[in-house]
Amino acid sequence: DAGITQSPRYKITETGRQVTLMCHQTWSHSYMFWYRQDLGHGLRLIYYSAAADITDKGEVPDGYVVSRSKTENFPLTLESATRSQTSVYFCASHTGDGKNIQYFGAGTRLSVL
Amino acid sequence: AQRVTQPEKLLSVFKGAPVELKCNYSYSGSPELFWYVQYSRQRLQLLLRHISRESIKGFTADLNKGETSFHLKKPFAQEEDSAMYYCALRVRGLTGGGNKLTFGTGTQLKVEL
Repeated sequence: DAGITQSPRYKITETGRQVTLMCHQTWSHSYMFWYRQDLGHGLRLIYYSAAADITDKGEVPDGYVVSRSKTENFPLTLESATRSQTSVYFCASHTGDGKNIQYFGAGTRLSVL
Repeated sequence: AQRVTQPEKLLSVFKGAPVELKCNYSYSGSPELFWYVQYSRQRLQLLLRHISRESIKGFTADLNKGETSFHLKKPFAQEEDSAMYYCALRVRGLTGGGNKLTFGTGTQLKVEL
């Protein structure tokens, strides 16, 4: 279970502030994903990464920035937080081995006031 | 465009009663479907994949291409089945063998005594 960890678990911030959510995995999985979970919308993909230095937009990328300088880390940055970005954020990873199973972190609950 | 529909936000059943969580999909390619589950205070995890044709914790799901459905079923609900259930569709392959998933909006299953 400790294979993929997110930090912080809870975060309160104010509108306009920059916030970075961390994701770290110990499996050396090639693929990593960021989702947001909202009532009525389920899980929506924000960004994903196929390998270090390779990232691409998902369904709802606006207002977010990602980087992947190392395989094990995939931070998500809200450049100027807005109230609409209040959500639960999940990081996931995937081996690319053909089984198509994604492994999720415990989530970060972010409140933007 | 790909889409996963879970029509019920909440499903409440009594312990011992049959459970059916509905999932319909829209996808032009060859579908590969999953059910993920999130128990209270736990991370999202894979429950089952249609390609495995297995039963996990008494749950089964059959892919019906004619009806474009992948309903999750269990003959006798248990209290520990109470959780949020997400249906997911593999959308497309990524370079190197990875895949993106599109999730439904989720169904909260509540098993009452």
